Formats: sequence, structure tokens, C-alpha cells
Amino acid sequence: QVQLQESGPGLVKPSETLSLTCTVSGGSFTNYYWSWLRQSPAKGLEWIGNIYYRGTTNYNPYLKTRVSISLDTSKNQFSLKLSSVTAADTAVYYCARYPPTTTFDSWGQGVLVTVSS
Amino acid sequence: DIQVTQSPSILSASVGDRVTITCRASQSLGSYLAWYQQKPGKAPHLLIYKASSLQSGVPSRFSGSGSGTEFTLTISSLQPDDFATYYCQQYNSYSPTTFGQGTKVEFK
Repeated sequence: QVQLQESGPGLVKPSETLSLTCTVSGGSFTNYYWSWLRQSPAKGLEWIGNIYYRGTTNYNPYLKTRVSISLDTSKNQFSLKLSSVTAADTAVYYCARYPPTTTFDSWGQGVLVTVSS
Repeated sequence: DIQVTQSPSILSASVGDRVTITCRASQSLGSYLAWYQQKPGKAPHLLIYKASSLQSGVPSRFSGSGSGTEFTLTISSLQPDDFATYYCQQYNSYSPTTFGQGTKVEFK
């Protein structure tokens, strides 16, 4: 059974870049979209973007200018970069798998990222 | 963007109750609506996709119905493990995916 695990700093300073990595185990990258989402009391659950196993990306239009998602299949990892963060980016960040035939069917446990000086 | 609105925000119920949660969309979704369960400190867990398809391993007391702009999640007989927050998600391919604001099912 596929497992996903987020990793990265839990504290980021305002105006800096948030960087997170998701490590996938027990499953293949092939034929899936690999996604980042976040959840905060203010905005609820919010889709950030995804990357197809072949490298094509899609981003939430509201975050598009600040987001980059990349894939490293040799390490079974995909990564998120969110630039110019503010306190509004404080949230629990999740990585998830998105099969083309269903929707987000496997999630990481989530990591709290706080934006503060 | 397509907005989805859940009701109620909070639902008080007892074990054994039949529970229904509604999700309304600002535009037609066809059948591209999913339901998730989330417990405190945990990630959302997929229950239903494509409005009425039960995800593998999910108990049959959960069911989904609807199409277009109105959808429901029904729990036929509420169990102690079902007290949680439930979210709907629209995934119409022509719009970024969005989630409802959640319905908390609490003990009456």
C-alpha cells in the first residue's frame, strides 16, 4: 500500500521560500498526478497544485505566480516551493496521490508550517 | 471558480442515527464530486468519488447520491467511529478543484 510522508522546515520567515518534500513508498509514480494541498482555519482545504508522473504541472491560479512543483522519480520524491510567503501561508501542508479515475486517494500525515519572524 | 457549499456546518446525532449532509455547487459538476472524512490531527480520508462510488475499504453504511449541482452523503446508521468532520470536493476538469467548508458530526 502506498505511503506518503512530508518533510521540511516547520518555521519559515516572511518573504522567504517554503520548501517541502514528499517521499512516496510502496507504490509507483506511473499514471498518477502527485499533489500538494494545505489546510488552515481561515481558508479550509485548498489545492495548491500537482505534477503528472511525466512532469506536466498544474497550479491553483491564486498561487500560480509563487508555486513550483517538481518530481524526482529516482528518489521517489516530489517537492513544493512557495515563494514570498506571508502569515496567510501558515497551514498544515499535505501531499497526496491523485489517480486519473478517482481523486485524492492517499495522503501524507501533513506537516504544520508556520510563517513568522 | 466553482464554489461548493455544505450544510449543515454542525450536525448533532446519536449512534444508530441516519445522517445526511448536503453539498451544493455553484455550477454543474456532472458527477465529479467526492466526500472525505477527517478526524482531528489526521489527513482527510476518501469515502466516495464520482458522487456515488464507494472507495475501496469504506464501510457500506456510507453512500453518496446526486448529480449536477446538488449532492448528498448519507450514513445509514451512525457508528462511534463516524464522529468526525466531512468535506465535499468538486473536481470538474475545467476548474481548479475546491472543497466545501466542512460538516462536523458531533455526539448529541
